Amino acid sequence: DTGVSQNPRHKITKRGQNVTFRCDPISEHNRLYWYRQTLGQGPEFLTYFQNEAQLEKSRLLSDRFSAERPKGSFSTLEIQRTEQGDSAMYLCASSSLGAGWVSEQFFGPGTRLTVL
Amino acid sequence: AQKVTQAQTEISVVEKEDVTLDCVYETRDTTYYLFWYKQPPSGELVFLIRRNSFDEQNEISGRYSWNFQKSTSSFNFTITASQVVDSAVYFCALRDSGTYKYIFGTGTRLKVLA
Repeated sequence: DTGVSQNPRHKITKRGQNVTFRCDPISEHNRLYWYRQTLGQGPEFLTYFQNEAQLEKSRLLSDRFSAERPKGSFSTLEIQRTEQGDSAMYLCASSSLGAGWVSEQFFGPGTRLTVL
Repeated sequence: AQKVTQAQTEISVVEKEDVTLDCVYETRDTTYYLFWYKQPPSGELVFLIRRNSFDEQNEISGRYSWNFQKSTSSFNFTITASQVVDSAVYFCALRDSGTYKYIFGTGTRLKVLA
């Protein structure tokens, strides 16, 4: 059973460029989450999908950020017109839907973004 | 508002010592869930334990034990006979019943010295 995978693992870009990250959840996990983690801090929630529906978005997710999960499987997170403040580790997690119980989130290795 | 506080920024212990990592949470919800994750130097968050608000039983798993006390809003984590491989950043997280997002604390960096 493979875990959550994320690509790329590292991305260096120049300010103003667009970047896209991909997350492949654990197979059959229908919930998918994006978090952002900066140095010395805990992960901060960005958004959450149940199947293909985006059900919750953080105020951290500005207009330059967009996330999709078109077929309820993999997800992409795009940042347009990157800024230096976007430099962070972007984490993806997935969990299963269990009626009447809570499933923990399983995290991927993250994509580290550096904006020059 | 939801909040998780991990007041200990960094702890250093010598191998085989016991160490307790503190976690204090705030929530107005009566049903909530608490979690501990480990983030080793490789960076990937590893799930350790989940606890529901209606289950105050403490838990022991090998060298790990967790003490959940609703009266003090704390969910502390103890490692017995620490080992060098326990060196990592440990995060406590909270999830209310009305949302699926986790609120993480700022983490405690544990250094276990040989």
